[in-house]
Amino acid sequence: DAGVIQSPRHEVTEMGQEVTLRCKPISGHDYLFWYRQTMMRGLELLIYFNNNVPIDDSGMPEDRFSAKMPNASFSTLKIQPSEPRDSAVYFCASTWDRPPGNTIYFGEGSWLTVV
Amino acid sequence: DAKTTQPPSMDCAEGRAANLPCNHSTISGNEYVYWYRQIHSQGPQYIIHGLKNNETNEMASLIITEDRKSSTLILPHATLRDTAVYYCIAPKTSYDKVIFGPGTSLSVIP
Repeated sequence: DAGVIQSPRHEVTEMGQEVTLRCKPISGHDYLFWYRQTMMRGLELLIYFNNNVPIDDSGMPEDRFSAKMPNASFSTLKIQPSEPRDSAVYFCASTWDRPPGNTIYFGEGSWLTVV
Repeated sequence: DAKTTQPPSMDCAEGRAANLPCNHSTISGNEYVYWYRQIHSQGPQYIIHGLKNNETNEMASLIITEDRKSSTLILPHATLRDTAVYYCIAPKTSYDKVIFGPGTSLSVIP
């Protein structure tokens, strides 16, 4: 399997622009997570989906952030409008509902810089 | 999730065993302990997990105390490539709002 695939790997954008990050989870996985990582705050869970349905979005920082999962193989995280404080690495991860003891597989991240 | 506590940083000489501790005193009976690591500029990577018994795989060994209140990740022969941040987590389920703490930053020294 190719693993969790994220795009773009790197993006530099100007403040106020819309940013869309994309994720393809591992085939067969029915849980998808979006994390954000910064030096100050570490690895933060933003939102996660189960079977394409958002389960918990309490980590989404504000209304400028939105996430969708239109089908089992694709998810987006959108920031509109972007601000410099949104600069971070955004990770997508996936796993599946096969207890006990599953592992979460992370993508390589999307490095976002807002100037 | 059970709260986990790890030292912020550790050093280990190359070729020696690295023993990374984790306290999870509030862990409940059905919560697994997972270890992940994150090498600089990469996404976190699964290492190992366990419930009660000690576990070993090609990457590491996991020792869980009998009362399950703490565990130790052992890298038997640390190499420079093992320099990373190591996260110990104990989620209610592995697929339910998994939260990562600050982890332990391990530096393997030549």
